[in-house]
Amino acid sequence: DSGVTQTPKHLITATGQRVTLRCSPRSGDLSVYWYQQSLDQGLQFLIQYYNGEERAKGNILERFSAQQFPDLHSELNLSSLELGDSALYFCASSVTLGQGFGTGELFFGEGSRLTVL
Amino acid sequence: DQQVKQNSPSLSVQEGRISILNCDYTNSMFDYFLWYKKYPAEGPTFLISISSIKDKNEDGRFTVFLNKSAKHLSLHIVPSQPGDSAVYFCAASATGGTSYGKLTFGQGTILTVHP
Repeated sequence: DSGVTQTPKHLITATGQRVTLRCSPRSGDLSVYWYQQSLDQGLQFLIQYYNGEERAKGNILERFSAQQFPDLHSELNLSSLELGDSALYFCASSVTLGQGFGTGELFFGEGSRLTVL
Repeated sequence: DQQVKQNSPSLSVQEGRISILNCDYTNSMFDYFLWYKKYPAEGPTFLISISSIKDKNEDGRFTVFLNKSAKHLSLHIVPSQPGDSAVYFCAASATGGTSYGKLTFGQGTILTVHP
């Protein structure tokens, strides 16, 4: 158990719909990262938040947005869903942006599997 | 632009033998490298890492080698065990600027260890 909690674990929805994926980081972790894993693909970085502020952006579509709340949990919002958005969405957390970066380790949740029909 | 590449989608080895997983990178700014292991229906878990100031790091049966001039790293597992069967992801980080903490992952290599 990594200590990172993601909900829901599975989600099936239709094209054009909107969904929200939720992530609770490990206790004490200030950084949250969102990654997307499509079929046979590696993990693609989407976005990073540190203590409520956006810190880095990857290949995140304009239809997707995220935020980190004062209690440090994060939500990834996916709208106008398309078939190609079907994927595993992982949340990861780490201690801080800089301090304690010694191991460079991110702790991953079990993922939310999104299926768009 | 695939900055981290794992060119072997799969690898099959016999129990007790050595498993060697390879990874290449193109971004010269990467200075920290990690290997993650992933079982089905689970998130990736950290396995071992190496800083660019080193060329080798060992942790039990796992050793990571880094060849900076070739922009290549490898993970050696000796001896391999059936429980090592999983997907292995190589990841890299540039410890500075806005990419601090962000990991760039390869596509993964499926390792199967046969009893």
